[in-house]
Amino acid sequence: NAGVTQTPKFRVLKTGQSMTLLCAQDMNHEYMYWYRQDPGMGLRLIHYSVGEGTTAKGEVPDGYNVSRLKKQNFLLGLESAAPSQTSVYFCASSYSVLKPQSGEQFFGPGTRLTVL
Amino acid sequence: KQEVTQIPAALSVPEGENLVLNCSFTDSAIYNLQWFRQDPGKGLTSLLLIQSSQREQTSGRLNASLDKSSGRSTLYIAASQPGDSATYLCAVKEKDSGAGSYQLTFGKGTKLSVIP
Repeated sequence: NAGVTQTPKFRVLKTGQSMTLLCAQDMNHEYMYWYRQDPGMGLRLIHYSVGEGTTAKGEVPDGYNVSRLKKQNFLLGLESAAPSQTSVYFCASSYSVLKPQSGEQFFGPGTRLTVL
Repeated sequence: KQEVTQIPAALSVPEGENLVLNCSFTDSAIYNLQWFRQDPGKGLTSLLLIQSSQREQTSGRLNASLDKSSGRSTLYIAASQPGDSATYLCAVKEKDSGAGSYQLTFGKGTKLSVIP
């Protein structure tokens, strides 16, 4: 099992450019999450999904869009990148709360994004 | 709004010492609490998960306790080693009243240095 994987690992964008971050998990988890980590701010939830075809906003959703077309994939999009979106982005996944194994979140290795 | 605090922000100990990391949270209505380890430039590795009905969990030299009523958790590391040097993050999972999903709220972490 690869667990949670993220592509790309690093990316540099210019202001106004767009990009998509891909998260994939092979654990058959129902729930998936996107977080950003900034110095002094800790990790904050951007968007999450409780199942294929569903998404919801987290704490800091502005400037981002997400899609969950397949159960194993969760995409994070930046339509018009801004310097304030320079951060490290982490994807995570977990089982549904309806399952006894639920609760534990597993994280990917992160994507370092710089917006100039 | 749930707030998670970790004190101290940084800790330096000599090799072999036993140590305790602290985590406090403001809303005791949590689903579970999870401790993570993060090495520089890396993702998060789950260490221990404590369900709200449990008092403690153990894994090797690590022991985590949970006192929901007082809003506190501690991570005890026995016989510390230089390889334990990392940032330790505490996160609580609470129910989102909207979509029914469960979100993690993170502390800002304690950076641990174990000196050989």
